[in-house]
Amino acid sequence: DIQMTQSPSSMSASLGDTVTINCLASQDIGNYLSWYQQKPGKSPKLMIYGATNLEDGVPSRFSGSRSGSDYSLTINSLGYDDEGIYHCHQYYEYPDTFGAGTKLELK
Amino acid sequence: EIQLQESGPGLVKPSQSLSLTCSVTGYTITSGYDWSWIRKFPGNKMEWMGYISNSGSTNYNPSLKIRISITRDTSKNQFFLQLNSVTTEDTATYYCASGMGPVAYWGQGTLVTVSS
Repeated sequence: DIQMTQSPSSMSASLGDTVTINCLASQDIGNYLSWYQQKPGKSPKLMIYGATNLEDGVPSRFSGSRSGSDYSLTINSLGYDDEGIYHCHQYYEYPDTFGAGTKLELK
Repeated sequence: EIQLQESGPGLVKPSQSLSLTCSVTGYTITSGYDWSWIRKFPGNKMEWMGYISNSGSTNYNPSLKIRISITRDTSKNQFFLQLNSVTTEDTATYYCASGMGPVAYWGQGTLVTVSS
């Protein structure tokens, strides 16, 4: 199975900050990577697909990038609504696999 | 708008079978997409369990292959999960979901606890 190593596991940031969450794939997955935001008691919400494509309705403060096997989710101008757990997901090869999640809290 | 809703028991005894139903509205499951089951363990780790395609073929996570079955009832626009011989390690929130690659549509999730 493809391992997705996600970091950090948790982070705390201030209103207006820029934060970056990373996922390292254990082998090539091309751009077959998505990012999800999950709030407590809710289901995950697709934010980014194809490593860099913003899902409809997602604020442009969110962006995805790739450098080799390293994938990043960046959130600019952090707001309270951005708190939650963020998951990366590779769908290049079955079985699909997820990162361990990053819990983002605002100070 | 595609909507998915899980239903089923919230408590299952060890060694028994876990059975969940996903009811889909706003889209016909034979029209397209893959229809998946994904679970989230305590501590946030997610696991893709498997899917049934719009044509009825299935694909399972090898880690579950001998215990899992995903079926459907096209007349009711529902698909189902059965997981056999459960242990406490199968305690998780179970989501039915849909998409082609990235998962665009999710049910609200249902917590299943395995305990005697």
